[in-house]
Amino acid sequence: DTGVSQNPRHKITKRGQNVTFRCDPISEHNRLYWYRQTLGQGPEFLTYFQNEAQLEKSRLLSDRFSAERPKGSFSTLEIQRTEQGDSAMYLCASSLEIMTVVTEAFFGQGTRLTVV
Amino acid sequence: QKEVEQNSGPLSVPEGAIASLNCTYSDRGSQSFFWYRQYSGKSPELIMSIYSNGDKEDGRFTAQLNKASQYVSLLIRDSQPSDSATYLCAVIPGNTGKLIFGQGTTLQVKP
Repeated sequence: DTGVSQNPRHKITKRGQNVTFRCDPISEHNRLYWYRQTLGQGPEFLTYFQNEAQLEKSRLLSDRFSAERPKGSFSTLEIQRTEQGDSAMYLCASSLEIMTVVTEAFFGQGTRLTVV
Repeated sequence: QKEVEQNSGPLSVPEGAIASLNCTYSDRGSQSFFWYRQYSGKSPELIMSIYSNGDKEDGRFTAQLNKASQYVSLLIRDSQPSDSATYLCAVIPGNTGKLIFGQGTTLQVKP
């Protein structure tokens, strides 16, 4: 397994356009997290999945953001009607939950979004 | 109160010294704790995890957990210039399964 994979690595879009990012987790991992990170800040939690179920979504996340994880494998994060404030690094991580114990999460390389 | 708090730094130490990085968390029911290192422009990479009170050592790194004080720390022995990075503390609160990060502490190791 080559680890967590994110695509694309970079995305430049015009304000108002929709964008979609993809994350392929480590194959045996049942948990998948999405984060947003801006310069000088720690990763900000957006949402997470346990298998295909989206268990929690940040209250800070507007309705323009949506995430899916069909079949509990890869996940997509869509941002509709992008705004300049959406410019950030979007990070995906995956981990394994066994009998209520959550193991370490490993990150993908991230997708850097620039909204112009 | 933030769920996970770290001093943003920068923390500056001379090469060969011990660097001590600290983190506090708000949820007393938290069970899982992690330290990550992040170089500029890169994604976080896991250093180590700790789940029970006490110390856990891995090479030059030692994580310390004190659940009574809601405090977790990372010690880096024999600090090297290559250790210069931002160190992120992460916690899974007891009432939720999400993984929450602090803002990170920037460490500078001067040759």
